[in-house]
Amino acid sequence: DSGVTQTPKHLITATGQRVTLRCSPRSGDLSVYWYQQSLDQGLQFLIHYYNGEERAKGNILERFSAQQFPDLHSELNLSSLELGDSALYFCASSAGLQYNEQFFGPGTRLTVL
Amino acid sequence: AQSVTQPDIHITVSEGASLELRCNYSYGATPYLFWYVQSPGQGLQLLLKYFSGDTLVQGIKGFEAEFKRSQSSFNLRKPSVHWSDAAEYFCAVGFYGGSQGNLIFGKGTKLSVKP
Repeated sequence: DSGVTQTPKHLITATGQRVTLRCSPRSGDLSVYWYQQSLDQGLQFLIHYYNGEERAKGNILERFSAQQFPDLHSELNLSSLELGDSALYFCASSAGLQYNEQFFGPGTRLTVL
Repeated sequence: AQSVTQPDIHITVSEGASLELRCNYSYGATPYLFWYVQSPGQGLQLLLKYFSGDTLVQGIKGFEAEFKRSQSSFNLRKPSVHWSDAAEYFCAVGFYGGSQGNLIFGKGTKLSVKP
């Protein structure tokens, strides 16, 4: 158990819908990273938050957004969902801003029908 | 552009045999490196890490990895594989001096273990 929690574990929805994925980092960790894992693209970095502030964006679509709240939990919002958004979404946390090991949550499997 | 290559998509070894999984990265900056393991339906578990210092690092479950700067490699090894090691293994790299803390992952190597 990494100490990172993600909810829900599974999510099935329809195209055009909007969903919210939630992540609670390990106690004391200030950084939260979101990654998308798909068969064709592998593990792709989406976005990084540190202590409530957005620090870096990767291959994140404009339909996706995220935030980190004062209690440090984070939410990833996916809207206007398409079939191709079906993937495993991982949250990872680390203690600092850079140069730290990252601990991964169990992931949320999103299926868009 | 930064990239991480795991040349072997799928490897099969016999139980008790030795294992080496390859990882190469490309970029000029000094890296810090990780190996993660993912069992089916599970998240990623950190096996070992290298930030600096001794280039041979030990991890959990009897794994070790060696950082070779001249070859831009960070190969994962285990002297004797157990059936429970069957999983997918990911190499991940971060770079010192950059503005971002995210990791770049290889595509993974799936390990199957024959009894």
